[in-house]
Amino acid sequence: AQSVTQLGSHVSVSEGALVLLRCNYSSSVPPYLFWYVQYPNQGLQLLLKYTSAATLVKGINGFEAEFKKSETSFHLTKPSAHMSDAAEYFCAVSDRGNYGGSQGNLIFGKGTKLSVKP
Amino acid sequence: DAMVIQNPRYQVTQFGKPVTLSCSQTLNHNVMYWYQQKSSQAPKLLFHYYDKDFNNEADTPDNFQSRRPNTSFCFLDIRSPGLGDAAMYLCATSRDRSSTDTQYFGPGTRLTVL
Repeated sequence: AQSVTQLGSHVSVSEGALVLLRCNYSSSVPPYLFWYVQYPNQGLQLLLKYTSAATLVKGINGFEAEFKKSETSFHLTKPSAHMSDAAEYFCAVSDRGNYGGSQGNLIFGKGTKLSVKP
Repeated sequence: DAMVIQNPRYQVTQFGKPVTLSCSQTLNHNVMYWYQQKSSQAPKLLFHYYDKDFNNEADTPDNFQSRRPNTSFCFLDIRSPGLGDAAMYLCATSRDRSSTDTQYFGPGTRLTVL
């Protein structure tokens, strides 16, 4: 079975500062990992995904994430925060059961709200 | 633009009064999902359709039903809404049910139960 844990329900950074949002996963099979962003009163939008190709994944809006198997992590980073990055960010893992099946369901972390101070 | 549309964006219903939420997609995707997202919580999958094949999550209450009359539309029916069903309901689609497929989300319907 798969699960993800997001450390920190709220993160606050200053505009122009580094953004680091943490996600750790647990999986008995090679995981497929996703980061989604949700702006207030809107649906989720895919930022990037890891599907076992390159371990450093680049996404939209200047975000990237690095898959580190040794640390079971998939942290999301952006070198310089912008006011428009203020939103809630969800890490998710694809539900592949215990045998690496392909079911397509997503298991989400509890989310991290990012605030950006001027 | 191809997209996932949800109507209405905001729905108010009374305790016990049936309500239907609508989702449509122009992506021609095979899979349509319904998630429930309560305040400050992660989205939780209720069920999904793979084409006409309905797949219910084990812990989804019987109070929640779904219909998919054609590829483009999918409905969420809540037969007797309780106060605990107040939430954002998110519809999503994916091309296939592969673990690597991206899910595309609609803007959600926020349900209030009075």
